[in-house]
This record gives sequence, structure tokens and C-alpha cells, in this order.
Amino acid sequence: DIQMTQSPSTLSASVGDRVTITCRASQTIYDWVAWYQQKPGKAPKLLIYKTSNLQGGVPSRFSGSGSATEFTLTISSLQPDDFAIYHCQQYYSYPWTFGQGTKVEVK
Amino acid sequence: EVQLVESGGDLVKPGHSLRLSCSGSGFTFPDFGMTWFRQAPGKGLEWIGFIRNNFFRETTEYAASVRGRFTISRDDSKTSVYLQMNRLQTEDSGIYYCARETKSGVADHWGQGTLVTVSS
Repeated sequence: DIQMTQSPSTLSASVGDRVTITCRASQTIYDWVAWYQQKPGKAPKLLIYKTSNLQGGVPSRFSGSGSATEFTLTISSLQPDDFAIYHCQQYYSYPWTFGQGTKVEVK
Repeated sequence: EVQLVESGGDLVKPGHSLRLSCSGSGFTFPDFGMTWFRQAPGKGLEWIGFIRNNFFRETTEYAASVRGRFTISRDDSKTSVYLQMNRLQTEDSGIYYCARETKSGVADHWGQGTLVTVSS
């Protein structure tokens, strides 16, 4: 199985900050990575697919980059609605696997 | 608007069975593969399995942790997908989500989830 290692596990930030979350795959997954946002008691919401494609309706302050085994999610200017947990996921090969999640909390 | 609604979650004893349902609307259900995920309390997301659409003969894929115990099926006439869970274990407890899978393979719309608790 492909392991996805996400860092950091917790990130303390303030509104307006630039935030970067990293995900590392245990083997190449080319560009088959997605990022999800999850708020307490809610289902995950797709933000980015295929490394850098913004899902419809997602604000442009979210962006994704990377290739092969190293991927990043960047929030250019953190907004109050962005405090949540973020998950990366590979869908290159079964079983699909997720990182352990990054909680973005108020500093 | 795409909507997915799960149902069937319950408190069951170890070794028992449970069937979850997921009803889809707002899209052409037969065109899409459907995926099940779960999330144990306070834990990360886990992919359980996937069923392709009729064009791909409704073939399935499963995580090793559930293969042989869980079965995914679908009924396009009811725009629904199902998760039959047998020989349930305490570690199967969590919120179960169904999701629509795009042609590129990403889960783009998720249901709100249904809670399964396995406890004696």
C-alpha cells in the first residue's frame, strides 16, 4: 500500500497568514493526489484534485502543487472559514490512502 | 444539486451484520462509480471500497481490512449504492460516508455520513 505522510499534524496560524501543508507519498503517485477540507461534524469537501486543479466553487486562495512523491497545499491568505482539518489522498492505486490530517487552528 | 444521503447506521454487537444505503440525486447516477469511506472517532479517513458503473460491469475493489466481510452493490433503478457489512468488529465503528467518483477517480461529492457503532 502507498503510505501518505502529511505534515505538520497541527498548524497554528492567524487570519491573513500564508499556510503550507505537505504530503509525501511512499512511492511515486505522479499527480494523482487530492486535498480535502473537513470541519467538525461534517463530511470532507474536495478542494483540489490531480495535484493542482481547483474544484468548482473553491476560493482561489487555495492552491496545490507538486509531483511524484512530494505535494503541497497552500492557502495564500488564511480566512476565518479556513480553520479546519485538511487531508491529502492518493488515488493512483488501490487501496486509496490518506494522510493522517493537518489541523489548522487559531494561533 | 448533487446530493448523497446515507442511512442504516446503528449500534450492533460484534459478529453481527448491518446494511448501509446511500441514495443519490441531482446527477445521472448510472454514469458514476461510487465509493465508501469511513472515519473512526477522532481518527483519519479510510477508504473501504468502490463499485464501478454498469459500463464496467459493476466490478468492485475493497480494502484488505474489509475484503471478504463487506460487499458493495448498487441498484441504478433506485439510484442507490449499498454496503453490506458482515462479521462486524469493534474496530469497524465509525462514521461511514458514500461518495461519487468522477471519471478521473476522485471523490467529488460526499454524503453527510451515518454512524455505525459495534459494541457488546
